[in-house]
Parts: sequence; C-alpha cells; structure tokens
Amino acid sequence: EAQVTQNPRYLITVTGKKLTVTCSQNMNHEYMSWYRQDPGLGLRQIYYSMNVEVTDKGDVPEGYKVSRKEKRNFPLILESPSPNQTSLYFCASSSFTGELFFGEGSRLTVL
Amino acid sequence: AQKVTQAQTEISVVEKEDVTLDCVYETRDTTYYLFWYKQPPSGELVFLIRRNSFDEQNEISGRYSWNFQKSTSSFNFTITASQVVDSAVYFCALSEARRTGTASKLTFGTGTRLQVTL
Repeated sequence: EAQVTQNPRYLITVTGKKLTVTCSQNMNHEYMSWYRQDPGLGLRQIYYSMNVEVTDKGDVPEGYKVSRKEKRNFPLILESPSPNQTSLYFCASSSFTGELFFGEGSRLTVL
Repeated sequence: AQKVTQAQTEISVVEKEDVTLDCVYETRDTTYYLFWYKQPPSGELVFLIRRNSFDEQNEISGRYSWNFQKSTSSFNFTITASQVVDSAVYFCALSEARRTGTASKLTFGTGTRLQVTL
C-alpha cells in the first residue's frame, strides 16, 4: 500500500530536549516536505526536498532542521524545542503530477 | 507571493442542504495547480481534487463539484445534499508548477470548518 509514515504520532516533551520526527514514503517520490498546522493559520511549509541531498527552507524553517540522505526518508529535527513549536506536523511526498500524499500527522507538545 | 483566502471560517448546515466553500487565490505564475483537501475529526488530510490552471472545466464527483474561474481567481467547492460525514475542515491550496510538472510547495488557506447536523 502506498503511504507516508510518520513517527511518533503523539509526543510530549520538554523545552530543550532534542527530538526527531521520522518520515518515510514507499512511493519512490523525489519530492518530500514538512508542514505544521496551527489553529487559524492553516498549514505552513517548514522545509522541503526536491531530491536526495537537496533541501530548502519553506515559510517557517526557524528552529527546525532536516536531512535527506535517502530518497524514502525525510526526518524533521528539533534541536532545542520550544513551546511555540507545539503543533500538528505533517510530512508529505509528491508524485510528478504534483499531488501531495500526506502522512497521518504527528502531534507534538513542548512543555 | 502566493496566497489562498478562505473567508468562511466556519459553516453550519442541516443535513441535505447544499453548501459552497469559497476559495480565492493569488499568484503571479501562469501555470499552477489548485487543490482541495478534507481533514475529518480524525486529523488526516484527504486529497479531494487537483486542478491544472489550464483546465477551467468544472468537475463533478458524486455529491462534490468544483467551480474553477480564472477570471475571478476562484476555485469554489460545492457539496450537494450534505451529510453528517461531510463534517470536517476543508482546505484549499495552491502550488506553482515547475517545468517537470512537480509541485514545489503548497500554499494553504486557513481552512473552513463545515458542521453538518441532523
């Protein structure tokens, strides 16, 4: 089954404790991206990657890092999480047609 | 810069009513894609439709229909005979179309919460 898998789905952490949200897709898509969803703001892009070793900033990259060492994986790294990074995070990958396939979301709470 | 506006924050209807969700977009690109996604209470994002900027034909899929009007930069979504299961947040989104046809980024509207009651 074609899918985008994110882990963890739910996480509560404390300020400053590094964490990584993993994302993996099995559709051989070149394009992957991360979004965060906040009430009243919709979804905003954090980072995206057009291919292996190619990443670029989206609209709200501050406080986040990404890497793309393999085509299927695109982890989101929060080196020193802060409460304003409490959000619902979505990973997505895209086919050449431009349709985005989203993961199920990861709800992160930073205390 | 691209922008998507969904002016309706929340809509409530009674089951079997028709409802239209508005979407207005701004872009300088001549080639772009428009999308609608549904986010039910369970939280996942469900793809509904993708429309190329060169294709202004309206589309119907069951009870769902979409009206794309380039002249007014709108891509409205209508649900006919709404059902309780249609209750969700609906997002309109816009992306540029790169030469390869791959979308580089989606710009989302803020979403419209639709509540369908019995």
